[in-house]
Amino acid sequence: NAGVTQTPKFRILKIGQSMTLQCTQDMNHNYMYWYRQDPGMGLKLIYYSVGAGITDKGEVPNGYNVSRSTTEDFPLRLELAAPSQTSVYFCASQSAYNSPLHFGNGTRLTVT
Amino acid sequence: GQSLEQPSEVTAVEGAIVQINCTYQTSGFYGLSWYQQHDGGAPTFLSYNALDGLEETGRFSSFLSRSDSYGYLLLQELQMKDSASYFCAVRPVQDSTLTFGKGTMLLVSP
Repeated sequence: NAGVTQTPKFRILKIGQSMTLQCTQDMNHNYMYWYRQDPGMGLKLIYYSVGAGITDKGEVPNGYNVSRSTTEDFPLRLELAAPSQTSVYFCASQSAYNSPLHFGNGTRLTVT
Repeated sequence: GQSLEQPSEVTAVEGAIVQINCTYQTSGFYGLSWYQQHDGGAPTFLSYNALDGLEETGRFSSFLSRSDSYGYLLLQELQMKDSASYFCAVRPVQDSTLTFGKGTMLLVSP
């Protein structure tokens, strides 16, 4: 049981490039989330999904897009990367709205 | 809206007891959660208080008082491995997502 798997672990992008951060979970969880974490700060919600085919914006969605075509996968797309998107990105899943979040190990992204 | 306030840093020695406070301003929420995050790692779930009172899980306890808009995480018999950041989080009733505090870095020294 792998839990929540994120790839890649590290990535350096040039300004204006795009990329997709992958997230997959094998726990059959309906709820999935993307958070970003900046140094000394808490986790800020980018996008979330309550089930396949359903996505919604979080607190800081600008510059990002998501899709949820299957229960298992919830990729995060960065278009036209900017230095402000330098951060650690965490994907999380949850079985029910009030159950614990299970986090992946994060993707450390640097945009230069 | 909702905001959660935590101290930015707490220091303690091995074997001691430490309390990490979380005060919040939200119109209503389902419960208070605590997560632990070691440096460079992923957050992991520690505890959840749906109701007022104390929840105990081994060396860790968590407390919630809705009337005081206050909660805390209590860590007993501190060990070096407890050095980490601790985040409180709430899920407001008008929202389906979890809002996190900025976290408290706990430094345990020998």
